[in-house]
Amino acid sequence: QSVLTQPPSVSAAPGQKVTISCSGSSSNIGSNYVSWYQHLPGTAPKLLIYENYNRPSGIPDRFSGSKSGASVTLGITGLQTGDEADYYCGTWDSSLSARVFGGGTKLTVL
Amino acid sequence: QVQLQESGPGLVKPSETLSLTCTVSSGSITNYYWSWIRQAPGKGLEWIGNIYYSGSTKYNPSLKSRVTISVDTSQNQLSLKLSSVTAADTAVYYCARDRSAWYYFDFWGRGTLVTVSS
Repeated sequence: QSVLTQPPSVSAAPGQKVTISCSGSSSNIGSNYVSWYQHLPGTAPKLLIYENYNRPSGIPDRFSGSKSGASVTLGITGLQTGDEADYYCGTWDSSLSARVFGGGTKLTVL
Repeated sequence: QVQLQESGPGLVKPSETLSLTCTVSSGSITNYYWSWIRQAPGKGLEWIGNIYYSGSTKYNPSLKSRVTISVDTSQNQLSLKLSSVTAADTAVYYCARDRSAWYYFDFWGRGTLVTVSS
């Protein structure tokens, strides 16, 4: 059972938009920066979003992050088949004194 | 672009100690934090702990009694030791550069699968 809650899967058609939610509590998302990662099995996870909504250089603006209270959302527009991957949110939990992640969301581009 | 490569035995016997090394290239280990993270089959990511290049460490309380992370700045490497392993420690183990103050990992290795089995 992961500390942060994500939907197990989402899907959408190429060219469409999808959002992936990540919910937590006041001890984690509610009081700390959140990051998002894209992971294709067998490869190195890739940082997509840091500090809630910032994109590293090289990450297209199709990827966006937002935060409201103890929840964050990753948005992906103009879906491409290459976006099919697992997506994870992560942050620090002040009560657990540990970095925590969501259980991951598998994105399928139909 | 910083690159990380995990290495070590792919099979460890129950009750023994898992030992992995992460080699950092195209960048210095100095002035950064570095983390170990794992993913058991079918499960999410679990943070194991991190180390600053100077040697100070922070561990996940759930694993603290069994974990040791160390750094060798001369070799640009960090290491992980996990003692008294069981089948529950079977996972892909990743090392990552840790932007600790802002709670994100900006570069990761591809990971290495460690299976605990007799």
